[in-house]
Amino acid sequence: EVQLLESGGGLVQPGGSLRLACAASGFTFSSFAMSWVRQAPGKGLEWVSVISYSGAGTYYADSVKGRFTISRDTSKNTLSLQMNSLRAEDTAVYYCAKLSSSSVYHPMDVWGQGTTVSVSS
Amino acid sequence: QSVLTQPPSASGTPGQRVTISCSGSSSNIGSYTVDWYQQLPGTAPKLLIYSNNQRPSGVPDRFSGSKSGTSASLAISGLQSEDEADYYCAAWDDSLNGWVFGGGTKLTVL
Repeated sequence: EVQLLESGGGLVQPGGSLRLACAASGFTFSSFAMSWVRQAPGKGLEWVSVISYSGAGTYYADSVKGRFTISRDTSKNTLSLQMNSLRAEDTAVYYCAKLSSSSVYHPMDVWGQGTTVSVSS
Repeated sequence: QSVLTQPPSASGTPGQRVTISCSGSSSNIGSYTVDWYQQLPGTAPKLLIYSNNQRPSGVPDRFSGSKSGTSASLAISGLQSEDEADYYCAAWDDSLNGWVFGGGTKLTVL
């Protein structure tokens, strides 16, 4: 069974850092692009970042560019999101999602349950 | 303000057919296929329609999608109470070099 399990969320002060992880299982992790999508309390979905199957291609939403870094570790089947200079508006549930192919242009066909990030003093 | 525009709400009675629209531009829907996601209350999103009109296995054929130009729509026929959820459209955007989502449509089954 394909599964994605996020971890690393928590409460952090503005300006702080947090690293999210997504443990993947049930599929060949190295063959698929992966993405992070977030949802602020009571709001809609907002795409954050996507990484190609090889890790060579990474893309970011303007709202997080320069502050967040997406990466993947094929040896551990893990997707990561390093979040620096956090702001109150980064408060959200962060979902890890598997894309349906190696390309970043394909749909997100499997989603994790999400991890909650709260940025507050 | 979302790049893709959806109505904030839609409603229907059991058995009815409802449609949800998604409007974009030449840099997203006009150039790429559209996907639809369903988010039931308190759960993670789920892929409902991909490549404009394709259903993943397990999705009932009551759900269908279409695209024309820079707009797309999701249709749900034979509406059921368990269809009450938030629905989001999404597409890749060339100008932004990333994915864009619609603001979401909350479907209420009366």
